[in-house]
Amino acid sequence: DAKTTQPPSMDCAEGRAANLPCNHSTISGNEYVYWYRQIHSQGPQYIIHGLKNNETNEMASLIITEDRKSSTLILPHATLRDTAVYYCIVRVAAAGNKLTFGGGTRVLVKP
Amino acid sequence: KAGVTQTPRYLIKTRGQQVTLSCSPISGHRSVSWYQQTPGQGLQFLFEYFSETQRNKGNFPGRFSGRQFSNSRSEMNVSTLELGDSALYLCASSLELADEQYFGPGTRLTVT
Repeated sequence: DAKTTQPPSMDCAEGRAANLPCNHSTISGNEYVYWYRQIHSQGPQYIIHGLKNNETNEMASLIITEDRKSSTLILPHATLRDTAVYYCIVRVAAAGNKLTFGGGTRVLVKP
Repeated sequence: KAGVTQTPRYLIKTRGQQVTLSCSPISGHRSVSWYQQTPGQGLQFLFEYFSETQRNKGNFPGRFSGRQFSNSRSEMNVSTLELGDSALYLCASSLELADEQYFGPGTRLTVT
């Protein structure tokens, strides 16, 4: 699986959009980009995933650049409950369920 | 629909003992994966099961084993516990292999 690079931490103001970058410059054509988050002491929570098109669901939007070497997770209106560690993961769907977690981005939403 | 459940939630064991952790996937999900989370190593993949067969295994010693039952429930076992096995053990389920995974709350194991 391709490696990902994320900033170790970032702050965000409550009510504002949070834009979380992820670099995956060695991504292959058949690798998906997944985002999970982990709120303190809980199991990781699936957020969204995509291959090359932008995706949106009730939680977030995923913007993948045309060359697929980077992506951005957007939380449209951050709340205090969005404070968590966010993980960007790249994996080949055919490789099964193995997720390789990096260090993630620790997001602190401030009032 | 109920989420992934794991039992027990907390466990304290002594070095040398063995432990069995249980995971019940979301109803209808056929794939179960296990992860270990420690402060030093982060989240690491242990193994995954689908249709009662282990499909993939992470880089852990043979003391770590698992199985999946016909109802998709899964157990993992750690024998001859070491202090370094203290961790949060997380189970995740997915509808099929390669689908998005949904994690349980984890079992926090402390080895003394």
